[in-house]
Amino acid sequence: NAGVTQTPKFQVLKTGQSMTLQCAQDMNHEYMSWYRQDPGMGLRLIHYSVGAGITDQGEVPNGYNVSRSTTEDFPLRLLSAAPSQTSVYFCASSTPSPYYGYTFGSGTRLTVV
Amino acid sequence: KQEVTQIPAALSVPEGENLVLNCSFTDSAIYNLQWFRQDPGKGLTSLLLIQSSQREQTSGRLNASLDKSSGRSTLYIAASQPGDSATYLCAVEGNSKLTFGKGITLSVRP
Repeated sequence: NAGVTQTPKFQVLKTGQSMTLQCAQDMNHEYMSWYRQDPGMGLRLIHYSVGAGITDQGEVPNGYNVSRSTTEDFPLRLLSAAPSQTSVYFCASSTPSPYYGYTFGSGTRLTVV
Repeated sequence: KQEVTQIPAALSVPEGENLVLNCSFTDSAIYNLQWFRQDPGKGLTSLLLIQSSQREQTSGRLNASLDKSSGRSTLYIAASQPGDSATYLCAVEGNSKLTFGKGITLSVRP
């Protein structure tokens, strides 16, 4: 099925560990973005990309790193995990033309202990 | 900075009621607006997309409208059912990214 695939679905990290959340889409979408969802805070943009080789910061970028070497993949790296990064992470993709809105992955539930 | 507000945060209605969920945004220079549904512990399901040149979209019992000049969108749900219970999120698109409201958690009582 075409769509946005996120791995892993669940992850527990210890404080200070690093890891990469994977996001891949097979729709040839130019736009990809990462959001985190926290109770009472809604979904907030972490980083986004408008094409391979182009990334930019969103509302809450600190502690996260991204790169976009291919159109299909947009991994999110946690450099040194902190308990404040415990959250549900969603990846999304879209294309500007024709525009059909954003498609979201099923999410990664991350717990940092 | 774009801000999106959805009020109230929670709503409980009896089955069969027609209801309106509101969404307001501060910057009218948006391109598109998208309504999503999220069930507990699940991902986001797109319900309706209103592109900037459109004023409303309909899908089944759902109708969404957009008034850019006043910074408002409404999601109308006709003849609500218990299966409609979920959180409804409004998101505005501008500059290649979405800005979300915090959502309205709807409970439809049998």
